[in-house]
Amino acid sequence: DADVTQTPRNRITKTGKRIMLECSQTKGHDRMYWYRQDPGLGLRLIYYSFDVKDINKGEISDGYSVSRQAQAKFSLSLESAIPNQTALYFCATSDPRTGGSGELFFGEGSRLTVL
Amino acid sequence: GNSVTQMEGPVTLSEEAFLTINCTYTATGYPSLFWYVQYPGEGLQLLLKATKADDKGSNKGFEATYRKETTSFHLEKGSVQVSDSAVYFCALSSSGTASKLTFGTGTRLQVTL
Repeated sequence: DADVTQTPRNRITKTGKRIMLECSQTKGHDRMYWYRQDPGLGLRLIYYSFDVKDINKGEISDGYSVSRQAQAKFSLSLESAIPNQTALYFCATSDPRTGGSGELFFGEGSRLTVL
Repeated sequence: GNSVTQMEGPVTLSEEAFLTINCTYTATGYPSLFWYVQYPGEGLQLLLKATKADDKGSNKGFEATYRKETTSFHLEKGSVQVSDSAVYFCALSSSGTASKLTFGTGTRLQVTL
């Protein structure tokens, strides 16, 4: 089983719908992240959380919200989806105790299409 | 701010050819540098890293040397295989950004027989 699990893996929805992408991890890491991948733009950070009570905006947080329900769970929500939020979304984790310099462990991605 | 620039792809090579994927960066302080690889249908995984100037990261036959004087971290492999076909991302993490990576746009490598 994957250490970082994302659900759903694929989702097609319509403009204006609320969507939640979920991430759970078994690595025991405190730090969790949501990234968005777009062709030609690489990965961009949406939100990150260093523990259950710590939530921070990334570079492209507008239109998104997150919830850290537990150390192992970090959800990304789109309150009212729009077509330009069509992308591949990745959850990632890290442990600052190992190397301390940014090795991330990624889930397999959630492909979201907004029509 | 931090930024990473990678050569655009796709890069198409024959098996056993030499690979170079260029990466340059802009960052304050002394960043750590990474190469991540994304195989089809999968998430990214760390390929190699270097945390200070002149360090060489290596893994699976791939190498990259942290060149502070040229702000570069080019990825090389002497003899690529079909199984190396993937998208490669250069990334950096600078001091004070606590594991928030800045990624390049990715370079797709296609290796043919």
